[in-house]
Amino acid sequence: DAKTTQPPSMDCAEGRAANLPCNHSTISGNEYVYWYRQIHSQGPQYIIHGLKNNETNEMASLIITEDRKSSTLILPHATLRDTAVYYCIVRVERGDKLVFGAGTILRVKS
Amino acid sequence: GAVVSQHPSRVICKSGTSVKIECRSLDFQATTMFWYRQFPKQSLMLMATSNEGSKATYEQGVEKDKFLINHASLTLSTLTVTSAHPEDSSFYICSALGVLRGSEAFFGQGTRLTVV
Repeated sequence: DAKTTQPPSMDCAEGRAANLPCNHSTISGNEYVYWYRQIHSQGPQYIIHGLKNNETNEMASLIITEDRKSSTLILPHATLRDTAVYYCIVRVERGDKLVFGAGTILRVKS
Repeated sequence: GAVVSQHPSRVICKSGTSVKIECRSLDFQATTMFWYRQFPKQSLMLMATSNEGSKATYEQGVEKDKFLINHASLTLSTLTVTSAHPEDSSFYICSALGVLRGSEAFFGQGTRLTVV
């Protein structure tokens, strides 16, 4: 079973930051938070992951609360190509399977 | 990122026939591969986990005799849908986890199977 809760959908204006929340109140100490996205009819794409510190890469930033019960994925300047389903997943770092929940449909609008 | 290639991307087959889907890791060795299926407007559902050289582990409710998985090498896993029926029509996606590629799993582009 998925261990995360996400809003079913969100809208964002093109060029603005998209902030996608995720609740994972039952996360264990050795579980990481992973984010993937799936553009229509394609395989999921890895975005970012973290344990407890905030993380940033060329695609996004990940902010994890101090109690690790929730996190936010930030796309700093959303474009139309960022329209996709975004999945937040908790998982032990290596070897563990990825269990997908329903995700958040992000619609970036011009 | 690492490249995982699935083939074919689309396939149409007749009821009762078998279909084989290939998943290859092109630039890394995949010790573990995962197979998912996805129905329209739904999330990905994990079907099975395969480790190179050993039998696949199937999720509850997935028929192992129906969905044959072979992970014979560190770069190739195959999923064979045997005696396909229209209800097997779905989007099948593989994912590969490498030895030296960090902890993230990389996904293939998916295979759209239509059984007529």
